[in-house]
Amino acid sequence: DIQLTQSPPFLSASVGDRVTITCRASQGISSSYLAWYQQKPGKAPTVLIYRASTLQSGVPSRFSGSGSGTEFTLTISSLRPEDLATYYCQQVDSYPLTFGGGTKVEIK
Amino acid sequence: EVQLVESGGGLVQPGGSLRLSCAASGLIFSDCVMTWVRQAPGKGLEWVSVVSERGDRTYYADSARGRFTISRDNSKNTVYLQMNSLRVEDTAVYYCANWGNRKFDPWGQGTLVTVSS
Repeated sequence: DIQLTQSPPFLSASVGDRVTITCRASQGISSSYLAWYQQKPGKAPTVLIYRASTLQSGVPSRFSGSGSGTEFTLTISSLRPEDLATYYCQQVDSYPLTFGGGTKVEIK
Repeated sequence: EVQLVESGGGLVQPGGSLRLSCAASGLIFSDCVMTWVRQAPGKGLEWVSVVSERGDRTYYADSARGRFTISRDNSKNTVYLQMNSLRVEDTAVYYCANWGNRKFDPWGQGTLVTVSS
């Protein structure tokens, strides 16, 4: 099984800050099979980034994804109040499909 | 607008059964790979199961294999999750989602399953 470890599990940042979340895989995965999701409190998750770096239609351009192999990152270039959420990475390279443990983002 | 609507959740005793449904609209359902994901209270996301477009291929997480069965009825644009031998640790919000182009999108609003005596 491919384990995904996200860091940090929690972060607190100010509006306008640049935020980076890391997702490390226990074994190499194709970048085509890595996605990022945002889950706002009480809501279902929504996709932000897929194929490691492709921005989902309608998602603000302050979100970006990068990485390959075993290390991937999600960056929010300038944090906004509405970005209060938990963020998850996911691999769909092999079964069982797996999610990272999540990164909860708080606005200072 | 693409919409997925789950139903069938509720309170069930340990050892009991429940069938979840996910009705789809706004998409060509028979072209869609469908999946279930769950989220225990205060916890992260856990993938549960997936079914191919025609329903002839299914995959399960270890936690679901042997107890849960995923199926679909393309004439009704609906995917199901039959859950048997339920355990307290199966308590979660269950989401269905369309798996296409290497992403789960969209997701339904979720249905809560509570396993408790």
